[in-house]
Order: sequence, then structure tokens, then C-alpha cells
Amino acid sequence: SQTIHQWPATLVQPVGSPLSLECTVEGTSNPNLYWYRQAAGRGLQLLFYSVGIGQISSEVPQNLSASRPQDRQFILSSKKLLLSDSGFYLCAWRIFYGYTFGSGTRLTVV
Amino acid sequence: SQKIEQNSEALNIQEGKTATLTCNYTNYSPAYLQWYRQDPGRGPVFLLLIRENEKEKRKERLKVTFDTTLKQSLFHITASQPADSATYLCALDARDTGNQFYFGTGTSLTVIP
Repeated sequence: SQTIHQWPATLVQPVGSPLSLECTVEGTSNPNLYWYRQAAGRGLQLLFYSVGIGQISSEVPQNLSASRPQDRQFILSSKKLLLSDSGFYLCAWRIFYGYTFGSGTRLTVV
Repeated sequence: SQKIEQNSEALNIQEGKTATLTCNYTNYSPAYLQWYRQDPGRGPVFLLLIRENEKEKRKERLKVTFDTTLKQSLFHITASQPADSATYLCALDARDTGNQFYFGTGTSLTVIP
């Protein structure tokens, strides 16, 4: 079956610390993968998407970066977190009719 | 600029009634419109997709309409149950970029027993 895994579920990090969030999918090959951020009371904001290994498109200039080292792995990173990076981060995998989302990571930068 | 608007106010309805949620958009020409359900602290879950050439789509107690002239979609939950309480998001495909969907901010629905 096709599944998407995202971890960790919750993360509290100090300002200036690095970040690495990982997303993996199972049961498919060459998926289109996405990172979204959802701030409280706001809609989902697309951060990055990838159509293949090493192919990353950035939608919003910011303090974050993404990488796709393997076909079914998508990583969101930051070298130095800002307070404004706090939010709910969601990995998604596009299938024809829509997205399958991961369970999300609640990031709080303190 | 492009915009997707959903009922900004939370919606409270009595169990058994029909809940109707609205999604309005401007400056888009979407080929597809989708509805998702999101529970607190969880990722959205896909519910229904409707194409631009479809007026209405049904799935069990759910019904979606799509009016490209009015630039509006309505999402109905009939015979609502407390378990239907959640935030509901609409999303449009970005026909011009082809690679992402744009989401509304969602409407919080509470079904009161």
C-alpha cells in the first residue's frame, strides 16, 4: 500500500539551532513531493516541491532549504532557525486527484 | 492577486442537520477543486475532487457543487454527526504552474449533539 511517513511529530528548538525534518513515502516510485507550512489561522503555504531526485523548486524565499537525496525521501532543513519558522510543517505526495499528507511536525522555535 | 476565501467564522450546527461550507475564489481558472478534512494536529485528508466541467459530485453524505461562473464551490454534509466536527479546506489546482494546489484557510465545523 502507499503510505507517507513524516517525523518527528513535535519539535522544540532554540533560535539559531539547525533543523532537519524528514519525509519518506512507500509503495510508489518517482513521486511528486511537497513541503507545506501551516501557521495558526492561516492557509497552507507551499515551501518546496520536487519532481525527482535532486530537483527542488522553491516557492517562497526564506530561511529554509530542501533536498531530495533519494527517490522517496524529502528533507526540509535550516542552518539557523528563526522565531518566525515556528509552525506546522506538512509533507505531501501528489497523486492524480490530490494530495496525501503526512501527519505533520509541530515546530516551536523558542 | 489570486485569492481563495472560505467562511472565516466557525460553523456550529445541530446534529442531523445539513452543514454547508463555502469556498470562493478570484483570479483563478482551476481545472479541479478539492475538499479536505483536517483534524487538530493532523494533516489534511482528501475527501472529494470536482472537475470544472462537473456541476455536482456526491460521496456518501457529502456533496460538492462547483460553479465556475460564480467562482464558488459549496460543500454539504447531510445528516451531520459530531464525528464530522473538523476543519474543512478547499483547494484549487494552479493550472498556470501545473505543480501545486492553492488552499483556503479552512472553515471550522462543530456538530453539536
